[in-house]
Amino acid sequence: NAGVTQTPKFQVLKTGQSMTLQCAQDMNHNSMYWYRQDPGMGLRLIYYSASEGTTDKGEVPNGYNVSRLNKREFSLRLESAAPSQTSVYFCASSEAGPNMNTEAFFGQGTRLTVV
Amino acid sequence: KQEVTQIPAALSVPEGENLVLNCSFTDSAIYNLQWFRQDPGKGLTSLLLIQSSQREQTSGRLNASLDKSSGRSTLYIAASQPGDSATYLCAVRNTGGFKTIFGAGTRLFVKA
Repeated sequence: NAGVTQTPKFQVLKTGQSMTLQCAQDMNHNSMYWYRQDPGMGLRLIYYSASEGTTDKGEVPNGYNVSRLNKREFSLRLESAAPSQTSVYFCASSEAGPNMNTEAFFGQGTRLTVV
Repeated sequence: KQEVTQIPAALSVPEGENLVLNCSFTDSAIYNLQWFRQDPGKGLTSLLLIQSSQREQTSGRLNASLDKSSGRSTLYIAASQPGDSATYLCAVRNTGGFKTIFGAGTRLFVKA
């Protein structure tokens, strides 16, 4: 079972370059999320999509945009990369029922370095 | 604003020891709390999910408890093994939204 798949796994960008991180899930989940993980800070939510066609800002949305392409796919775009965006990025999905008492599943992460 | 704290930040124990990892949160209005394991350079693997109405969940050598009123959860690992070495993260999902807030994790090292 694939679960949540992220591409690429590694990326090095120059300051000012743009790129899109891809995420797809095959569990028919309604909700999808993008997090970044920095040393000593845990995971912080960048953007989320509660359902197909909707997106909302999380804790640290500045410098990012997202697209919920369809129910399976949720992409994260850096329009003009900055060194402060060097991080490990995780995509996650969950089935958001009425009580949202559902488990979250994570991809393997994308390690991004901006030089 | 929900804040999640995990103590200790790092822990080293000899193989076979029972251990407890702690997680505290500031807002008790949560839907659930989830414990994850993360191996170096890898993604997160879900270990246990505790609903807000539950007090504990068990899976094999793992037992997680939840005390909403005091804003605390513990992950108990029995008879630790070197293969348990990893970073353990707890995360809470608040009511009234889809956001899940993570702690910074506890890095566990089990010595053979």
